[in-house]
Amino acid sequence: SQQGEEDPQALSIQEGENATMNCSYKTSINNLQWYRQNSGRGLVHLILIRSNEREKHSGRLRVTLDTSKKSSSLLITASRAADTASYFCAAQGAQKLVFGQGTRLTINP
Amino acid sequence: DAGVIQSPRHEVTEMGQEVTLRCKPISGHDYLFWYRQTMMRGLELLIYFNNNVPIDDSGMPEDRFSAKMPNASFSTLKIQPSEPRDSAVYFCASSPTTTSWYFGPGTRLTVL
Repeated sequence: SQQGEEDPQALSIQEGENATMNCSYKTSINNLQWYRQNSGRGLVHLILIRSNEREKHSGRLRVTLDTSKKSSSLLITASRAADTASYFCAAQGAQKLVFGQGTRLTINP
Repeated sequence: DAGVIQSPRHEVTEMGQEVTLRCKPISGHDYLFWYRQTMMRGLELLIYFNNNVPIDDSGMPEDRFSAKMPNASFSTLKIQPSEPRDSAVYFCASSPTTTSWYFGPGTRLTVL
């Protein structure tokens, strides 16, 4: 399978805590993207990090990329109940976007 | 912009029936992708088009699946005959540059 793996598969934390999700991929990439999916809904693009970048920030999101290890992490700081969703990494090589299995994040009030 | 539009949002059919899923990409986007999402296999790329031409259909599971893009504003994914294992959520996505994907809300297909 071309799909990568995400770790953990499920994560449950208290509101206000930070959430970290990890992703590994198998192919060489142009960029790596993170998406959020609320239950029963489509995917929403969160952030993109290019293969020549190591870290990127967007609001409460921080993404790192280690191309030597073929891995990425997504950190959500000061989590909120509205952050409850599934989060997917997606590795882009050429025109194709290959998704990981996702992490189910639950923020407890 | 209304975003990527998919229809129907839900489809329930019986095994053996033909199913047609529809997608209208965002105007001006040159790339269109069809994905399938299941609990077991996650999100799988089925096929993608560039300027209405199929570029890679290696993810299409078998000959029962076919996809067309007759013009820049419309694509279909057809399953004939459908089987219970085809039950999934099918997503269409479009992209202007292949660095930013915009996903539709999906079609939830149930084959009984």
